[in-house]
Amino acid sequence: AQSVSQHNHHVILSEAASLELGCNYSYGGTVNLFWYVQYPGQHLQLLLKYFSGDPLVKGIKGFEAEFIKSKFSFNLRKPSVQWSDTAEYFCAVNARGYSSASKIIFGSGTRLSIRP
Amino acid sequence: DAGVIQSPRHEVTEMGQEVTLRCKPISGHDYLFWYRQTMMRGLELLIYFNNNVPIDDSGMPEDRFSAKMPNASFSTLKIQPSEPRDSAVYFCASSYDRSLGNEQFFGPGTRLTVL
Repeated sequence: AQSVSQHNHHVILSEAASLELGCNYSYGGTVNLFWYVQYPGQHLQLLLKYFSGDPLVKGIKGFEAEFIKSKFSFNLRKPSVQWSDTAEYFCAVNARGYSSASKIIFGSGTRLSIRP
Repeated sequence: DAGVIQSPRHEVTEMGQEVTLRCKPISGHDYLFWYRQTMMRGLELLIYFNNNVPIDDSGMPEDRFSAKMPNASFSTLKIQPSEPRDSAVYFCASSYDRSLGNEQFFGPGTRLTVL
């Protein structure tokens, strides 16, 4: 079965620090990959997505993620975080061609706290 | 489009009462998902529909929970009877175009408190 692992449950950084949040998935076939962000008190919003092509994907607000197929990873990065990036970040995977392909599996989330 | 609409935004009820949460997906979307989010368990998929038909309800915690989708523009999640451990934020999401890789669009959520 598909699964998504986010090993960092809570990350605390100072403003201007660089960010990398880990995401690993288990599925041997073709995948669509997503990062969603949930700001405090709000609903999940799409940050970026990977379907095919360039494995380095750029999203909104200066975020990017790199798909490394050999490592089954899709880590999220930002070179310089801001206080407004304080949120919870969810990695998600949809296995294309899987019987329940429309069901996206979400990771457990990583809470990011930015110190002003 | 107004996006996914959920009502009510907040619900406070007493243990044993029936609770009904409502969702209107984005027009044209043919997949609808119900999630529950708590501090302890994170984001859990409860059930999802395709073309109004329930496809996977394996995440529904127990028989007290039921979900329906009578038409393409409306779904309900009902809890009867409610218990304090059902307190959570319930999100509805919808998706459609496979070329988008099933990107899901989330509603604002319903914060349920069962006393």
